[in-house]
Amino acid sequence: GAVVSQHPSRVICKSGTSVKIECRSLDFQATTMFWYRQFPKKSLMLMATSNEGSKATYEQGVEKDKFLINHASLTLSTLTVTSAHPEDSSFYICSAIAGEETQYFGPGTRLLVL
Amino acid sequence: QKEVEQNSGPLSVPEGAIASLNCTYSDRGSQSFFWYRQYSGKSPELIMSIYSNGDKEDGRFTAQLNKASQYVSLLIRDSQPSDSATYLCAVNPMKNQGGKLIFGQGTELSVKP
Repeated sequence: GAVVSQHPSRVICKSGTSVKIECRSLDFQATTMFWYRQFPKKSLMLMATSNEGSKATYEQGVEKDKFLINHASLTLSTLTVTSAHPEDSSFYICSAIAGEETQYFGPGTRLLVL
Repeated sequence: QKEVEQNSGPLSVPEGAIASLNCTYSDRGSQSFFWYRQYSGKSPELIMSIYSNGDKEDGRFTAQLNKASQYVSLLIRDSQPSDSATYLCAVNPMKNQGGKLIFGQGTELSVKP
């Protein structure tokens, strides 16, 4: 199967700082990647769709200036949480499409904002 | 009505039994359907995809799709304690929409030794 990596796997930061999360497709090229967040015991919440070479498409209610997405190459998308606050603490997961529109997920990044 | 619905569970089955997980969807034009497994604290991993009516088998897993009834299910035969996880049903509501999926809320499965 297709392999997607994320870095870092876990990050702790102070309130007000910015955090960048990387999502890489390791063995395939992904024109489209997705970013999700998930709270404990809750389902996945799609934040945005990231397309290589174009602006990300954000879901309703997701602040694009808060969650900056860059998809600079066919194997890398980044999510930057700007001026992070404790309520941004969550499990952030990316996915990438391989083959027939099948999404493969990265291992996730657990963010804790103090 | 939610676009993709699953029973949240928990569904508890004894080891060795068949676990049956169900999912209904509202968009009749949906083309592709996926089952993901998510262990606690981990990200989802793909178990099966199904695109045509009928059954699709992969090892102990069988996905069943009935587009007329807008229903997709996952059967797990010879359930093992290691199958204990949350199972997410996901639907691609329309072809050529860039692969965006609609997820159900997940069904928690517990397999008791």
